[in-house]
Amino acid sequence: NAGVTQTPKFRVLKTGQSMTLLCAQDMNHEYMYWYRQDPGMGLRLIHYSVGEGTTAKGEVPDGYNVSRLKKQNFLLGLESAAPSQTSVYFCASSWTGSNQPQHFGDGTRLSIL
Amino acid sequence: AQSVAQPEDQVNVAEGNPLTVKCTYSVSGNPYLFWYVQYPNRGLQFLLKYITGDNLVKGSYGFEAEFNKSQTSFHLKKPSALVSDSALYFCAVSSLTGRRALTFGSGTRLQVQP
Repeated sequence: NAGVTQTPKFRVLKTGQSMTLLCAQDMNHEYMYWYRQDPGMGLRLIHYSVGEGTTAKGEVPDGYNVSRLKKQNFLLGLESAAPSQTSVYFCASSWTGSNQPQHFGDGTRLSIL
Repeated sequence: AQSVAQPEDQVNVAEGNPLTVKCTYSVSGNPYLFWYVQYPNRGLQFLLKYITGDNLVKGSYGFEAEFNKSQTSFHLKKPSALVSDSALYFCAVSSLTGRRALTFGSGTRLQVQP
């Protein structure tokens, strides 16, 4: 039982490059989330999904896009990477929102040069 | 808008002593409150939650938290700290009437000295 798996674990990009971060969960959860973690700022929600085929914006959505074509996968895309997007990205999933605990992956460390 | 404040960047405590990590929140409607722990180079792990009912909530690894509605607080406690409790702790809030997704505090680093 893997839980929430994020790939890749590390990546270095140059400004202007694009990439996709993959999140996969094997718990049949309905809700999935992408967060970024920056020192002293906790976790901030980028985008989330309440079910297959649906996505919604979080606190800091600019510069990111997401897709949830399959229930178990949630993709986060950076169209044109900027140094301000250097961060640790976490994916999470839960049965529903609000009152259910979220299960987190181990993160993707992304550096934009 | 919902928000969480963790007023202490770091808490230091000696092994065997009780520990408290503070959290206050602001949300419209009834709050759902959570504590998570993060070890180095790992994702967040769920410790405990308050949804409704008893104000004292017990969770994993001997941790508990007390919900205080009048003070809008949800402090994390443990009667006897272990060196292995040293980690980063996050408080989070959500609600049905506010934004359904979690809002996290900035985190508190707990250092337990042997």
